[in-house]
Amino acid sequence: SQQGEEDPQALSIQEGENATMNCSYKTSINNLQWYRQNSGRGLVHLILIRSNEREKHSGRLRVTLDTSKKSSSLLITASRAADTASYFCASTGANSKLTFGKGITLSVRP
Amino acid sequence: EAQVTQNPRYLITVTGKKLTVTCSQNMNHEYMSWYRQDPGLGLRQIYYSMNVEVTDKGDVPEGYKVSRKEKRNFPLILESPSPNQTSLYFCASTSGTTAYNEQFFGPGTRLTVL
Repeated sequence: SQQGEEDPQALSIQEGENATMNCSYKTSINNLQWYRQNSGRGLVHLILIRSNEREKHSGRLRVTLDTSKKSSSLLITASRAADTASYFCASTGANSKLTFGKGITLSVRP
Repeated sequence: EAQVTQNPRYLITVTGKKLTVTCSQNMNHEYMSWYRQDPGLGLRQIYYSMNVEVTDKGDVPEGYKVSRKEKRNFPLILESPSPNQTSLYFCASTSGTTAYNEQFFGPGTRLTVL
């Protein structure tokens, strides 16, 4: 079953703008991870946030986690054309499996 | 270089012809898994393995088999492929015996079953 659901499904922004992507999940989690996928290629891990953390940064990435709302957001600041990709959230729960959402397609226009 | 490799990268086959997609990792990871990716459905786990000789079903195991005889290899076997198994397949591995940690993905295998 799909645990994570991203929102929006597609996002188009201008280079230099910030991109915000949201993810909601249904059951309690151990951690939540975000991945990037360039067209048809393998997924690349971006950042992991644990259930007892509220915010985490990595370069131009900022991830927040609100366990009371069962949601997470990924912010990419000062976007670049190279950020064009699909982004997936994935959560791990009590069953210790990783469950992916359907993904968000981000287009960054030069 | 730490990596997960898959072979073949592209495969076109016919219904019923048994095939194997290989997956190998060089990071000494315990946990390995197979996913399929279909448009509008995201990634769905087929099978996973927590260690050598330990495998279990994921969310969509029907029509697939796996084995884990060595730590580094985790082949995916389609005994009798059908057109609904046309998909993009990814192998992934991670340290530890659960999926809690960062996953390393292979480059993908695009399978078409005619």
